[in-house]
Amino acid sequence: SQTIHQWPATLVQPVGSPLSLECTVEGTSNPNLYWYRQAAGRGLQLLFYSIGIGQISSEVPQNLSASRPQDRQFILSSKKLLLSDSGFYLCAWSPVDGSGANVLTFGAGSRLTVL
Amino acid sequence: GQSLEQPSEVTAVEGAIVQINCTYQTSGFYGLSWYQQHDGGAPTFLSYNALDGLEETGRFSSFLSRSDSYGYLLLQELQMKDSASYFCAVTASGGSYIPTFGRGTSLIVHP
Repeated sequence: SQTIHQWPATLVQPVGSPLSLECTVEGTSNPNLYWYRQAAGRGLQLLFYSIGIGQISSEVPQNLSASRPQDRQFILSSKKLLLSDSGFYLCAWSPVDGSGANVLTFGAGSRLTVL
Repeated sequence: GQSLEQPSEVTAVEGAIVQINCTYQTSGFYGLSWYQQHDGGAPTFLSYNALDGLEETGRFSSFLSRSDSYGYLLLQELQMKDSASYFCAVTASGGSYIPTFGRGTSLIVHP
């Protein structure tokens, strides 16, 4: 069966520090991968998605970046965090099954607080 | 662009039935999904509708009317554990088939 791992679960970072969140998927090949952000009490905002190694699409211009160095690994990074980067970051994957349903399976999330 | 509207909060009592509505605007509509998220947790998939009508999965049902750009999630025999946020999400060609989420509805179930 497929599983998705995301870490770290919680982190507190000072403004201006770098960030690296990692996500890996097991039990599937060539998944679509996503990074969403959820501010407190808000919906999910798509940040990045990837349909393959090295193929990243950015939905929101900001100081974050994403990389997909391996088929089942997705990394969210920042060189210098802003206060507004605080939030709950969720990695997700969906199968490439041609159904169009694009059912997302989310990781447990990473709660980032920037001070 | 795409937009979705759903109520911010709904309250109900244990054992009751509750309906959470979702209206959407998008181009190239493909389907409507529903996700559940408990406090501090990750969203989990509940249901998906691509065609008009009702889809039933246990105590949960989801309805879609493509002509009205409208759907709802129906929860029956409410339990305390159903207290959570519920998100509708639209999949459309205009959005590269990537789910775009509404702001979520907080369901509070009282004893």
